[in-house]
Amino acid sequence: DVKVTQSSRYLVKRTGEKVFLECVQDMDHENMFWYRQDPGLGLRLIYFSYDVKMKEKGDIPEGYSVSREKKERFSLILESASTNQTSMYLCASSLLWGGDYNEQFFGPGTRLTVL
Amino acid sequence: AQSVAQPEDQVNVAEGNPLTVKCTYSVSGNPYLFWYVQYPNRGLQFLLKYITGDNLVKGSYGFEAEFNKSQTSFHLKKPSALVSDSALYFCAVRDGYSSASKIIFGSGTRLSIRP
Repeated sequence: DVKVTQSSRYLVKRTGEKVFLECVQDMDHENMFWYRQDPGLGLRLIYFSYDVKMKEKGDIPEGYSVSREKKERFSLILESASTNQTSMYLCASSLLWGGDYNEQFFGPGTRLTVL
Repeated sequence: AQSVAQPEDQVNVAEGNPLTVKCTYSVSGNPYLFWYVQYPNRGLQFLLKYITGDNLVKGSYGFEAEFNKSQTSFHLKKPSALVSDSALYFCAVRDGYSSASKIIFGSGTRLSIRP
């Protein structure tokens, strides 16, 4: 079974702190994604990566950055946390898009609260 | 731009009755459509996908979805609901066909099955 793990289930940080959210997948997937989930807004894509050291902006990249130094690990960085970044953060991975247009596998999520 | 809409925030069904969760899409070209489910305190799980072929797609946990090109819909269905089907359901569409394409999610529909 594919396993996507996220470093924390719950995290509380203060405004202005630098925050790191880590995601690791164990199935050699090329694609990795970071989403935030807010009630009534569904999932919104922050960043994604389809290869090591490659990154693409999603729909809401402002205030975030990412790092992918190794294939299995994709980190989301909040350079200076703000209260409007309080949310559930979901990481996902998938095989590189091909003829089968593969589904994504999700981690359990990190609920981040910024005070 | 590709998009999906889930017109109902909440759907309530009695156990044993058939259920439908609605999704409409807007794409240019052939759509690649997905349904995901999120059980309480868990990450999203893939249910089923439509790429091409039969309009009725079967997925996990007895769910199926009907692709209707003329109505641009991809409704999720189950003949007989279970209380354990209570969860948050997301429809999604792939945005483009390149390796750098991404998945766009709807806002989600909360399905509640009463005993």
